[in-house]
Amino acid sequence: DGGITQSPKYLFRKEGQNVTLSCEQNLNHDAMYWYRQDPGQGLRLIYYSQIVNDFQKGDIAEGYSVSREKKESFPLTVTSAQKNPTAFYLCASGQQETQYFGPGTRLLVL
Amino acid sequence: DAKTTQPTSMDCAEGRAANLPCNHSTISGNEYVYWYRQIHSQGPQYIIHGLKNNETNEMASLIITEDRKSSTLILPHATLRDTAVYYCIVRVDEDSSYKLIFGSGTRLLVRP
Repeated sequence: DGGITQSPKYLFRKEGQNVTLSCEQNLNHDAMYWYRQDPGQGLRLIYYSQIVNDFQKGDIAEGYSVSREKKESFPLTVTSAQKNPTAFYLCASGQQETQYFGPGTRLLVL
Repeated sequence: DAKTTQPTSMDCAEGRAANLPCNHSTISGNEYVYWYRQIHSQGPQYIIHGLKNNETNEMASLIITEDRKSSTLILPHATLRDTAVYYCIVRVDEDSSYKLIFGSGTRLLVRP
């Protein structure tokens, strides 16, 4: 099946721990995006990448890091510097004019 | 900051048309209007987008006013599965890329 996969669906993080969220797409899209969604709110852009080995900060990049070593993959690391990481994280990929979203990962801090 | 304003919530009867309004009074001439919807705890689903002309696809119609300061998403025959949060979004172009600026959306409830 073609599409965007995110894993895991739920992730628990201990205080001071870094965690990495996976995002994979087999749509051959050049661009990939990471968003954060808090309860009752819209999506906010964390990082995006237009091409392999290149990425740019979005509106709320502090406390997060990314890499884009392969076209298909755009993992997001939530570092210990992110003081309020509990949220729903959404990955998207796009070509030309439209972004398509994955199913999301819900991160909870213990 | 979001560049769109939408009602917080709306409802409509199953089988009737759902008309979701959106104000984007500060939109620039080359900025597109996009609509996505999100069913609880899922990723947003693309619906439709447009620049100046009205658009229609298998899911919905998009009506953009002539001055482009507002638009309406129309679901012609709403079903219970159309219950979701609907986001009206302005696409902001930056160099060779673009950003979708999400607001809080409209929560649409389709009643049986």
